Amino acid sequence: SQTIHQWPATLVQPVGSPLSLECTVEGTSNPNLYWYRQAAGRGLQLLFYSVGIGQISSEVPQNLSASRPQDRQFILSSKKLLLSDSGFYLCAQDRGDYEQYFGPGTRLTVT
Amino acid sequence: KQEVTQIPAALSVPEGENLVLNCSFTDSAIYNLQWFRQDPGKGLTSLLLIQSSQREQTSGRLNASLDKSSGRSTLYIAASQPGDSATYLCAVRRYDYKLSFGAGTTVTVRA
Repeated sequence: SQTIHQWPATLVQPVGSPLSLECTVEGTSNPNLYWYRQAAGRGLQLLFYSVGIGQISSEVPQNLSASRPQDRQFILSSKKLLLSDSGFYLCAQDRGDYEQYFGPGTRLTVT
Repeated sequence: KQEVTQIPAALSVPEGENLVLNCSFTDSAIYNLQWFRQDPGKGLTSLLLIQSSQREQTSGRLNASLDKSSGRSTLYIAASQPGDSATYLCAVRRYDYKLSFGAGTTVTVRA
């Protein structure tokens, strides 16, 4: 099966605290992986993408970072959260002929 | 830069009526186009993928067309049902393999 797991499902964190969101995928080896953020009332914003272990490209310079320590694991981190980091974070994977599939998402509220 | 526009932003129809959702994009140099469905608080579900060489794709009650030269795609949903109520997103994949998303059309099907 090809499933995308994200955890936690929801998270409430104070401003200035660290963040770690995890995404793992099943099935295909060496998949292209993506992190998106969907803020309230706004569209999907691509944050990071990765074409392999240790290969990360950043789309939006900010206080977030991403890492890919294993083939099917993609992690989104921050050292100090801002209020503006609140949103719905989605992990995605390419399959087949570049068809994109999404995980269930993590709802982050920064207070 | 690829700009993707979806009109209308919201649509309300009685059950049984056919739905027509529009998507336009500014750069015709696309690799493929994908339609997604998003239910509130959930991740995106892939509905249809159209490669740049194709004119349409069909899956059950769903049909999507692509006119690359004019920068347009249309998603048709036949005989709408209340379960079709959701936000529908169009995404265009560039040749650098990144997706550009529209803001979505929120559909309400009234029973």
